[in-house]
Amino acid sequence: QQPVQSPQAVILREGEDAVINCSSSKALYSVHWYRQKHGEAPVFLMILLKGGEQKGHEKISASFNEKKQQSSLYLTASQLSYSGTYFCGTEGALRTSGSRLTFGEGTQLTVNP
Amino acid sequence: DTAVSQTPKYLVTQMGNDKSIKCEQNLGHDTMYWYKQDSKKFLKIMFSYNNKELIINETVPNRFSPKSPDKAHLNLHINSLELGDSAVYFCASSRRLAGRTGELFFGEGSRLTVL
Repeated sequence: QQPVQSPQAVILREGEDAVINCSSSKALYSVHWYRQKHGEAPVFLMILLKGGEQKGHEKISASFNEKKQQSSLYLTASQLSYSGTYFCGTEGALRTSGSRLTFGEGTQLTVNP
Repeated sequence: DTAVSQTPKYLVTQMGNDKSIKCEQNLGHDTMYWYKQDSKKFLKIMFSYNNKELIINETVPNRFSPKSPDKAHLNLHINSLELGDSAVYFCASSRRLAGRTGELFFGEGSRLTVL
């Protein structure tokens, strides 16, 4: 089942902060975050495993609430280079040989000068 | 060195034709994937191979046939192309640990346009 991302789109001025949310209706093992710039391939940002950890990558960090089956991506002091579409990908807690990453519909982030 | 490379980058073809996309990775990963990204940017998994074994086969028309001759290569052949097949097809690779998906590395994508 596809995770739900919110908001669908956000427009920021350089230096502002943003939060992108990802929620699932099923128990999760992991949440991945990727960024895709226009006309390019998605690029990995970070992975969070069940355990409620928080991770950081420069000024981009994320949290994973295993009980709520939710993850949030935090972008602080946004830069022009942060513009793009952000995807969360989730993997279910039930391990099967065909366990796979299912992506949300994406959040389009635009950072203006 | 490009980590995941796929060819061709662009395909424009008529309905009913057959086309193939090739993918190669030099990261030493054991798992490769095909994802389809439609015009709304939705990324949907199609197939996955782990050590040359097909492990994921989503509900995809049987006009689509993947082949993995070895761990480093994954190809996608599409028969009798339809308008709805127009999309960007991404190849990706990752390590798979205890049946779990690791960080995905994507190729640049192959944009297929069916006229």
